Amino acid sequence: EIVMTQSPATLSVSPGERATLSCRASQGVYSKLAWYQQKLGKAPRLLIYGVSTRATGIPARFSGSESGTEFTLTISSLQSEDFAVYYCQQYHNWPGTFGQGTKVEI
Amino acid sequence: EVQLVQSGAEVKKPGESLKISCKGSGYSFANHWIGWVRQRPGKGLEWMGIIYPGDSESRYSPSFQGQVTISVDKSVTTAYLHWSSLKASDTAMYYCARPEGAHWYFDLWGRGTLVTVSS
Repeated sequence: EIVMTQSPATLSVSPGERATLSCRASQGVYSKLAWYQQKLGKAPRLLIYGVSTRATGIPARFSGSESGTEFTLTISSLQSEDFAVYYCQQYHNWPGTFGQGTKVEI
Repeated sequence: EVQLVQSGAEVKKPGESLKISCKGSGYSFANHWIGWVRQRPGKGLEWMGIIYPGDSESRYSPSFQGQVTISVDKSVTTAYLHWSSLKASDTAMYYCARPEGAHWYFDLWGRGTLVTVSS
């Protein structure tokens, strides 16, 4: 099973600032990497798939990138509605495994 | 509207059985896999298993094999998650979610069913 490790566990950011979230895979996932946003009490929402393709309706301030087995989600200018928990997920191998999440807080 | 509608919250005692449901609508239900994801209180997401309504083929994550049963009734476009004997450690929010086509990331989620197991 591929292990996904996210860092940091918590990221404290001010509105308008840039946030950079990291996710590392224990082995290659061949660009099969997705990011989700989960707000308190809500279901997760797909943000990005295929490392860098935004899902329908996702604002351009969200972007994804990769370097080998390291993946990054960048939120260019945090809005109040972006404070949430973010999960990465690999879907190269069965079962698709999630990272433990990064909480983005004010 | 494309959606997954899950059954309501449940409170059960250890040892009891339970089946929760997830009804898909607004899309070709039989032609899309449906998965179940567990989220324990304050914890992350765990993919439990998945089923293909067209032929009821199912797959389970190793951690959940033998612990739950996933089934489907495509005549009512509904997937199910079943426990034969609940434990306190099954207390969690359970989401059904639909993978996108040929790739197993989830582009559609239900709102979740909270299962509380307590004596």
